[in-house]
Amino acid sequence: EAAVTQSPRNKVTVTGGNVTLSCRQTNSHNYMYWYRQDTGHGLRLIHYSYGAGNLQIGDVPDGYKATRTTQEDFFLLLELASPSQTSLYFCASTGTGGAGEQYFGPGTRLTVL
Amino acid sequence: KTQVEQSPQSLVVRQGENCVLQCNYSVTPDNHLRWFKQDTGKGLVSLTVLVHENDKTSNGRYSATLDKDAKHSTLHITATLLDDTATYICVVGDRGSALGRLHFGAGTQLIVIP
Repeated sequence: EAAVTQSPRNKVTVTGGNVTLSCRQTNSHNYMYWYRQDTGHGLRLIHYSYGAGNLQIGDVPDGYKATRTTQEDFFLLLELASPSQTSLYFCASTGTGGAGEQYFGPGTRLTVL
Repeated sequence: KTQVEQSPQSLVVRQGENCVLQCNYSVTPDNHLRWFKQDTGKGLVSLTVLVHENDKTSNGRYSATLDKDAKHSTLHITATLLDDTATYICVVGDRGSALGRLHFGAGTQLIVIP
């Protein structure tokens, strides 16, 4: 069974705060993704990666950085958090892409006050 | 511009009833379409994937159809259970490779009542 874990599960910070969201997959997948989910919107792609050291820009990258340190670990960084970044964040991984299934983590709920 | 539209936005049914969820999209090209189930506050779990024109799939009480000409898909849930309460999300992939993008609908919130 494919496994994607995220930490923390919940995070509260203040405007201007520094936040790092962590994602780990133990599926030996090459591709990893960070999404945000907001009410009334479908999931929106922030950043993604094809492998360790690779980083690709998604559709809503402003205010976010990401780093893929190993095949297993993908981090999302908010260096100056703003209230507009209050959201539910999901990490996902896939081995083949395309019709290959994406496996999602349980999500991190971030609140920026 | 939203490229994947789902309807209804929300739906309440009684346990044991059947229901149908709709997905219309404008994504081009449309390589495949996948339906996910998302329990409240949880991650997305794949229910089924449709790839070919006029594909039909079945996964237990879930069945789905795809009409690529009409760019339309339906998800049927038969004999609903309380555990079917969740948000169902339609996702269209524009390529059959990792270089492709996934386009997510906003979801249909299904509530099953006793």
